[in-house]
Amino acid sequence: DAGITQSPRYKITETGRQVTLMCHQTWSHSYMFWYRQDLGHGLRLIYYSAAADITDKGEVSDGYVVSRSKTENFPLTLESATRSQTSVYFCASSDDAFFYEQYFGPGTRLTVT
Amino acid sequence: KQEVTQIPAALSVPEGENLVLNCSFTDSAIYNLQWFRQDPGKGLTSLLLIQSSQREQTSGRLNASLDKSSGRSTLYIAASQPGDSATYLCAVRATGNQFYFGTGTSLTVIP
Repeated sequence: DAGITQSPRYKITETGRQVTLMCHQTWSHSYMFWYRQDLGHGLRLIYYSAAADITDKGEVSDGYVVSRSKTENFPLTLESATRSQTSVYFCASSDDAFFYEQYFGPGTRLTVT
Repeated sequence: KQEVTQIPAALSVPEGENLVLNCSFTDSAIYNLQWFRQDPGKGLTSLLLIQSSQREQTSGRLNASLDKSSGRSTLYIAASQPGDSATYLCAVRATGNQFYFGTGTSLTVIP
């Protein structure tokens, strides 16, 4: 399918477990982003990547790890999940961080029990 | 740190009415501002992107303006329809590839 996809769409995990959320885009956009959306906070940037093998932290990066070995994939890993990481996670991509729009995936709802 | 505010948090209007949604930001050093809509349980759909050098952008019934010096943007929706009911979010791109979102305005258009 063309566009940007996320998997899984829903995930329930236990505190302390490692969880990986997947993001895949078919446009060959150079930039990719991970956000979390929480009531009262809006969307907050976790990590972004300007190209394969180039990643950088956003506003709320503690407890998260990313990698980008291929342009089209940008997985987000919670190394040891905590209840405060219960959230809806959105992946986005953009051809350029300056001039082009961001396009968002459908989101992953993660619950940490 | 950049703070982005959207007021009101919720808005209800009758069908056909023209309306304005507001977005304000604290640091005028932005590269661009983007408006999105989000339907319940869904991702974000891009509506309009305004570069820092631009004053406004238009798409169909939507018009977005940007006044960087005063830290404000407005999204004007003409002749509102029930299908416009959604949450509208604005986001600014600040220095260092950082993006900051407002918490959104939930719009309900009553038939």
